[in-house]
Amino acid sequence: LAKTTQPISMDSYEGQEVNITCSHNNIATNDYITWYQQFPSQGPRFIIQGYKTKVTNEVASLFIPADRKSSTLSLPRVSLSDTAVYYCLVEDTGRRALTFGSGTRLQVQP
Amino acid sequence: KAGVTQTPRYLIKTRGQQVTLSCSPISGHRSVSWYQQTPGQGLQFLFEYFSETQRNKGNFPGRFSGRQFSNSRSEMNVSTLELGDSALYLCASREGANTEAFFGQGTRLTVV
Repeated sequence: LAKTTQPISMDSYEGQEVNITCSHNNIATNDYITWYQQFPSQGPRFIIQGYKTKVTNEVASLFIPADRKSSTLSLPRVSLSDTAVYYCLVEDTGRRALTFGSGTRLQVQP
Repeated sequence: KAGVTQTPRYLIKTRGQQVTLSCSPISGHRSVSWYQQTPGQGLQFLFEYFSETQRNKGNFPGRFSGRQFSNSRSEMNVSTLELGDSALYLCASREGANTEAFFGQGTRLTVV
């Protein structure tokens, strides 16, 4: 399983763009990159998934360079409600189980 | 469409007892996974079931077991409870690999 490395914590202010980078040096050809968000005492919630280049949805963008050894989750104009833990996962296409790392604790301040 | 439902939400048990947790996946989802979350160890994978078969298993002792029924509902059992089993137990369902996983609210188990 590809291991992921991401910052333990980040701080931001409301209205700013936040970029969280995840390193996954031994990602395999068939692996996808997925990000989840978790609030205290709740289950994680899917944010975005990608394989290469750029993916955008209504809440975030995911940038994946050509070598796929890292990825960056971009949250535009964060608000206080974006304060949460963000997990970067690399998924083996043969498995349906998710392997979570330590995550990045994002604190958004007014 | 109803989300993933876990019951009970909260549970208090005594050391040595056993406990059964239940998870009802989203309709049509055949894959159900279980996770343990503690402040010290984070989110750890327990096991995954697909069409009533255990497909993957995490690094947990044999006291942790599970099963899946023909309607995809799943149960997780922990026998001979230890204090360290106190945790939030999360269940997730999904259609298949590389699809969005939907998590339940979890069962907060406290072992005293």
